[in-house]
Amino acid sequence: SQQGEEDPQALSIQEGENATMNCSYKTSINNLQWYRQNSGRGLVHLILIRSNEREKHSGRLRVTLDTSKKSSSLLITASRAADTASYFCATHGGTSYGKLTFGQGTILTVHP
Amino acid sequence: SAVISQKPSRDICQRGTSLTIQCQVDSQVTMMFWYRQQPGQSLTLIATANQGSEATYESGFVIDKFPISRPNLTFSTLTVSNMSPEDSSIYLCSVVQGGAIYGYTFGSGTRLTVV
Repeated sequence: SQQGEEDPQALSIQEGENATMNCSYKTSINNLQWYRQNSGRGLVHLILIRSNEREKHSGRLRVTLDTSKKSSSLLITASRAADTASYFCATHGGTSYGKLTFGQGTILTVHP
Repeated sequence: SAVISQKPSRDICQRGTSLTIQCQVDSQVTMMFWYRQQPGQSLTLIATANQGSEATYESGFVIDKFPISRPNLTFSTLTVSNMSPEDSSIYLCSVVQGGAIYGYTFGSGTRLTVV
């Protein structure tokens, strides 16, 4: 079963705007990760935030984590048409080599 | 991070047949993971493959339908057996290095269509 819910399911914006995607999960975690998938291909790891971290930045990406609410958000600033993709959150819990559990994903479309 | 070569990238198969998907990693990894992504859906873990032992399957997935081999630390195969149209999905392998403090690396996926 899927760990969490993501919203929105689909997001359509113009180039230069910011995109915010949210993820909720149900169980305790070691870390939460965000991935991008272009056109049904393989997933690309974007950023990882540990359970003891509250915010993390990487380039145009900003991730927040609220473990009390079991939620995370991914902000993409100054979006580009090339950011058009599906974005998934995934939680990792348990052992160091444990599995990932994925959210339902957000389809982001950035119009030039 | 590891680089994964996954083959085939896509295939169209007749129902009742089987397809074997291969993943080759450019470095040794302890565990490999196989996921299924049904059309328009998220990823669901099928099984975890350790070298030298039987794969561990998630609820809803059985070895007879999805046999997995892991002959060494750089290679694994997933077979989708006795296929039906419901097996039409993207199948992905994944590995992690250095513990789960880093992100996981995914293969480019195999898009399977069963007709």
